[in-house]
Amino acid sequence: EVQLLESGGGLVQPGGSLRLSCAASGFTFSSSAMSWVRQAPGKGLEWVSIIGTRTGNTYNADSVKGRFTISRDNSKNTLYLQMNSLRAEDTAMYYCAKAEGYCSGGTCYRYFDPWGQGTLVTVSS
Amino acid sequence: EIVMTQSPATLSVSPGERATLSCRASQSVSSNVAWYQQKPGQAPRLLIYGASTRATGIPARFSGSGSGTEFSLTISSLQSEDSAIYYCQQYYNWPPYTFGQGTNLEIK
Repeated sequence: EVQLLESGGGLVQPGGSLRLSCAASGFTFSSSAMSWVRQAPGKGLEWVSIIGTRTGNTYNADSVKGRFTISRDNSKNTLYLQMNSLRAEDTAMYYCAKAEGYCSGGTCYRYFDPWGQGTLVTVSS
Repeated sequence: EIVMTQSPATLSVSPGERATLSCRASQSVSSNVAWYQQKPGQAPRLLIYGASTRATGIPARFSGSGSGTEFSLTISSLQSEDSAIYYCQQYYNWPPYTFGQGTNLEIK
């Protein structure tokens, strides 16, 4: 059974940093693209970041570009999200998700399945 | 950035009836649309991908259709456990991957 378990959330002051982790099991982690999606309290879903099977292939939403860094350690089956310069608007539940889909013509098309249970990040003074 | 617009915002339907949720893309996304179900306090769950393919373990009463810019999710013979928020997502033109704002499905 595929399992994704996030950790590392908590309360942090504006301008602070936090690193989220997502421990994966039940599938070949090194062969899977992975993503982070967040959800502010009472709001909808917002895609944050994605990483391909090779650590060099990463993409971020404009809202986090230059502040958040996605990475992975295939030897530990773990996905990370390093969050710096945190703002109040980064307050959200952060979900990691396995990125499924297909690749064609050099581009991969990904949806997200499954999702972890999430870890809550609160940015407040 | 492709904007996904869902309608209606809230839908109230009686058990046993059919519910149809709509999702419109601001430009063509081919058939690269997924639908997710999210119940209170839970993570989203994939229902449909490729606009019309049910994910593993999803009951046959859930069906998706559409291509280009117009998509729909139909839930036939509604059950009480179908009460949730449903989101569509496009994965054709990225980054960013974008989601609709959600439809809150209430079972009367």
